[in-house]
Amino acid sequence: DSGVTQTPKHLITATGQRVTLRCSPRSGDLSVYWYQQSLDQGLQFLIHYYNGEERAKGNILERFSAQQFPDLHSELNLSSLELGDSALYFCASSPGTVRTYGYTFGSGTRLTVV
Amino acid sequence: QQPVQSPQAVILREGEDAVINCSSSKALYSVHWYRQKHGEAPVFLMILLKGGEQKGHEKISASFNEKKQQSSLYLTASQLSYSGTYFCGTEGGNQFYFGTGTSLTVIP
Repeated sequence: DSGVTQTPKHLITATGQRVTLRCSPRSGDLSVYWYQQSLDQGLQFLIHYYNGEERAKGNILERFSAQQFPDLHSELNLSSLELGDSALYFCASSPGTVRTYGYTFGSGTRLTVV
Repeated sequence: QQPVQSPQAVILREGEDAVINCSSSKALYSVHWYRQKHGEAPVFLMILLKGGEQKGHEKISASFNEKKQQSSLYLTASQLSYSGTYFCGTEGGNQFYFGTGTSLTVIP
């Protein structure tokens, strides 16, 4: 157990629907990162929050949004889902900047859009 | 800006050594190494900061040549548990980029 908790582990939904993925970072970690991993794309950075504030955005679609709450948990909202959104979504946390500390990943949410 | 790893895949027998290379087109402040087993989350192995240091983790070590913008991961006397996909990761601006990945399979 890495200490980073992601729910749900699996999600199957239809095209056009909206889902919310949840992440609780490791105790004491202020940074939360979201990554998408699909077979042909590797690990793609989506977004980074530090202590409730958005710090960096990667290749995140406009249909996707995220936030980090005062208790530091984070949610990734995916809307108007398409078949191509099927992937593993990982949350990772870090005490501060990843430059110094590295990532601790959660076990991921496998999203299947049908 | 995604770092390029080589080789893409390697198969080893238990006890053999391997080297995985990571090369970036951008100046590097740090290089990370992670291992991911199939269907699982990536696991942090080590981080190397600017300065050309070499680090070790059990029988896995790494070097970082900031001038050449390259890092190498060394696996010695490989064990079955070393199988997985290895990713390097580098920082560019305010983003972090994972490498293209190297699939390592250790067979008995």
